[in-house]
Amino acid sequence: NAGVTQTPKFRILKIGQSMTLQCTQDMNHNYMYWYRQDPGMGLKLIYYSVGAGITDKGEVPNGYNVSRSTTEDFPLRLELAAPSQTSVYFCASSGGTSGRPWDEQFFGPGTRLTVL
Amino acid sequence: AQSVTQPDIHITVSEGASLELRCNYSYGATPYLFWYVQSPGQGLQLLLKYFSGDTLVQGIKGFEAEFKRSQSSFNLRKPSVHWSDAAEYFCAVGGGGGFKTIFGAGTRLFVKA
Repeated sequence: NAGVTQTPKFRILKIGQSMTLQCTQDMNHNYMYWYRQDPGMGLKLIYYSVGAGITDKGEVPNGYNVSRSTTEDFPLRLELAAPSQTSVYFCASSGGTSGRPWDEQFFGPGTRLTVL
Repeated sequence: AQSVTQPDIHITVSEGASLELRCNYSYGATPYLFWYVQSPGQGLQLLLKYFSGDTLVQGIKGFEAEFKRSQSSFNLRKPSVHWSDAAEYFCAVGGGGGFKTIFGAGTRLFVKA
């Protein structure tokens, strides 16, 4: 049971490039989330999903896109990378045996992205 | 508006000393409260959570937290801090039928020998 896995761990992008951050969970959780973490700012929700085929915007969705074709996978797409997207990105999932979306979230190890 | 405030950006305690990290929340519905810990270079890990019942909850690694509805607080405590407790700690609130959890900005704990 690997939990939540994220790839890559690190990435440097040039301004205007695009990339996809991968996230996979093996806990059969319905709810999945993407956060960005900037120093001193805590976690900001980018997008979330309540099940396969259903996604919605969080606090800071601009410049990002998501899809959820399966329960396990929730990739985050950055189009036209900008320096403001330099951050650490975390994927999380929740809603295990309790079925409650607001129950404990399980986090991946994060992706550190730098845009130059 | 829903929010979580952690008033202390960073705290330094001596090894073996007691610890209290503060958390205040503003939430319109019945809050579900969490404390997470983040070690350097890692994702967040749940320390403990409060949904209902006894307002003093026990967590992993010897931590406990007390829910005080009248003060809208959920402070984290540990009687004796170990050097391995140095990390960043996040308070969070969710519930009310929503899908989102709101995180505080975090408190970084430094432990001195």
